[in-house]
Amino acid sequence: KNQVEQSPQSLIILEGKNCTLQCNYTVSPFSNLRWYKQDTGRGPVSLTIMTFSENTKSNGRYTATLDADTKQSSLHITASQLSDSASYICVVSVHWHEKLTFGTGTRLTIIP
Amino acid sequence: GAVVSQHPSWVICKSGTSVKIECRSLDFQATTMFWYRQFPKQSLMLMATSNEGSKATYEQGVEKDKFLINHASLTLSTLTVTSAHPEDSSFYICSAKRDRDPNEQFFGPGTRLTVL
Repeated sequence: KNQVEQSPQSLIILEGKNCTLQCNYTVSPFSNLRWYKQDTGRGPVSLTIMTFSENTKSNGRYTATLDADTKQSSLHITASQLSDSASYICVVSVHWHEKLTFGTGTRLTIIP
Repeated sequence: GAVVSQHPSWVICKSGTSVKIECRSLDFQATTMFWYRQFPKQSLMLMATSNEGSKATYEQGVEKDKFLINHASLTLSTLTVTSAHPEDSSFYICSAKRDRDPNEQFFGPGTRLTVL
């Protein structure tokens, strides 16, 4: 069964600090992995998308890594800001298939 | 580019009534759109895949007669929740695929439905 697991479930950090969110997946055959940011009451917004051959991809203060061998990904947020408070969802897609497999998300709270 | 809108952003209705939610791709044509439902503190669950000009494909456990989907044009898909009940209260999100980005789905801002 295709699954995506994220950890931690929730995280609280001080403004300005860095943090790393984890994603493990069992989706096969793998096509690509995306990280989305979802603000409360809003739709998900794409942060990064990585294919099998990509190990890392950055988008401003967000850096995603992918280890296709161990089927793990991480999202590193640098110098966190209050506006980073949101849910971060790891989403994996199966090769040649439209459906996405969603992780349950990590709820990140940045406190001043 | 690749903006998806939803209308309304929130709606409150009485039990037994029907509610229509619109999903529009504003600056691109979307042959395929998707409808998701999200309960509090849970992830998105795919309800159905909507293809322009054909019947929607529903996920297992989703009642097609209750959740009517129409994708009459390349920029508009609608989800109608018929005879809504309190347990239908949820956050409904649509997404759309753009032909030149076959691996990407662009999400709308969501519609909060509350059934009293």
